[in-house]
Amino acid sequence: QSALTQPPSASGTPGQRVTISCSGSSSNIGSNTVNWYQQLPGTAPKLLIYSNNQRPSGVPDRFSGSKSGTSASLAISGLQSEDEADYYCAAWDDSLNGPVFGGGTKLTVL
Amino acid sequence: QVHLQESGPGLVKPSQTLSLTCTVSGGSISSADYYWNWIRQPPGKGLEWIGYIYYSGSTNYNPSLKSRVTISVDTSKNQFSLKLSSVTAADTAVYYCARAPQYCSGGNCWFDPWGQGTLVTVSS
Repeated sequence: QSALTQPPSASGTPGQRVTISCSGSSSNIGSNTVNWYQQLPGTAPKLLIYSNNQRPSGVPDRFSGSKSGTSASLAISGLQSEDEADYYCAAWDDSLNGPVFGGGTKLTVL
Repeated sequence: QVHLQESGPGLVKPSQTLSLTCTVSGGSISSADYYWNWIRQPPGKGLEWIGYIYYSGSTNYNPSLKSRVTISVDTSKNQFSLKLSSVTAADTAVYYCARAPQYCSGGNCWFDPWGQGTLVTVSS
């Protein structure tokens, strides 16, 4: 059981906007920043969003992150076939004194 | 551009010790700006943080693994290593090394970049 809760799956058609939620608690999302990772099939995770809503260099602005209270969301607009991947949220957990991950959301582009 | 590469045996027997090394290139592991992490992913499952080490040798481990984990650093080789003792089939996973900013412990913690990962299977 992961410390952060994500829906196991999400889907959308090309060009559509999809959102993926991430729910936590006061010891993690509620008091620390949220990061998102994209894991393409058979590859290592890649940083997608850091500090709630910041994009690393090279990440398209189609990807955006937000946080409110003990929940966070990743939004992908203008969905493309190459966005089909697993997406993980993560945050530092004060109780664990370490980072925790969500269980991951498998995004399918129909 | 910093690059991380894991190496080590792909097969470990139950009850033995898993040992992996992460070689850092394109940057110095002695930088005060970063923590060096191990993260694992069982086949078909999610990610689990194992622990990190600072260039000075200070460490922080996941409490669920703390009794079995040792992470060390060799600044002369620009490498850091993971040892996980008394392994079982539940330790079968892809093991990744990754870099995190030094203010990670302050609650603002992300991993970038990651190594490509190495699959370690625990089986007799």
